[in-house]
Amino acid sequence: AQSVTQPDIHITVSEGASLELRCNYSYGATPYLFWYVQSPGQGLQLLLKYFSGDTLVQGIKGFEAEFKRSQSSFNLRKPSVHWSDAAEYFCAVVGSGGSYIPTFGRGTSLIVHP
Amino acid sequence: DAMVIQNPRYQVTQFGKPVTLSCSQTLNHNVMYWYQQKSSQAPKLLFHYYDKDFNNEADTPDNFQSRRPNTSFCFLDIRSPGLGDAAMYLCATSPGRGRGGNEQFFGPGTRLTVL
Repeated sequence: AQSVTQPDIHITVSEGASLELRCNYSYGATPYLFWYVQSPGQGLQLLLKYFSGDTLVQGIKGFEAEFKRSQSSFNLRKPSVHWSDAAEYFCAVVGSGGSYIPTFGRGTSLIVHP
Repeated sequence: DAMVIQNPRYQVTQFGKPVTLSCSQTLNHNVMYWYQQKSSQAPKLLFHYYDKDFNNEADTPDNFQSRRPNTSFCFLDIRSPGLGDAAMYLCATSPGRGRGGNEQFFGPGTRLTVL
């Protein structure tokens, strides 16, 4: 069975600072990996995804993530955070062996100070 | 634009009074999901349909039921809502098995309040 760990419940950054949100997964092979963002009172929106190939993937809103097989990680990054990035961020994995149900991490709440 | 629509966005019901939440999609996806999300928690999968095949999570209470009359629509019925059922209910769709990792598309959610 797959699992996802987001070790940080809350992250606080200043506007304009860089950001890294951590995600570690457990799965026997290389899974499909996703980052979703949820603004208050809204549904989840896909930021980016990794299936195969280039381990650095670009997403919407200036986000990127890097898949590191050796560390079983898929950390989300942004070079300069905007106040509108304040939201909840969820990492998710789907097993690549025919499964289609995602497993979500517990989420990381991003707080942006002006 | 192709999308997932949920109605209503806000629903207030009384303790024990049945309520139905609806979800529709224009993506023609095979899979439709219902999640329950409480404050500051990850979405919790209640059940999903793969086409017409219904799949219930083991820990989903019997109080929750679902219907998918056609590809586009899916309903969540809460037979006797309790105070603990107050939450955000999210509907999502995805293409299905073996199709691009099965990225999910979420609706905006329905916020359920139980008085």
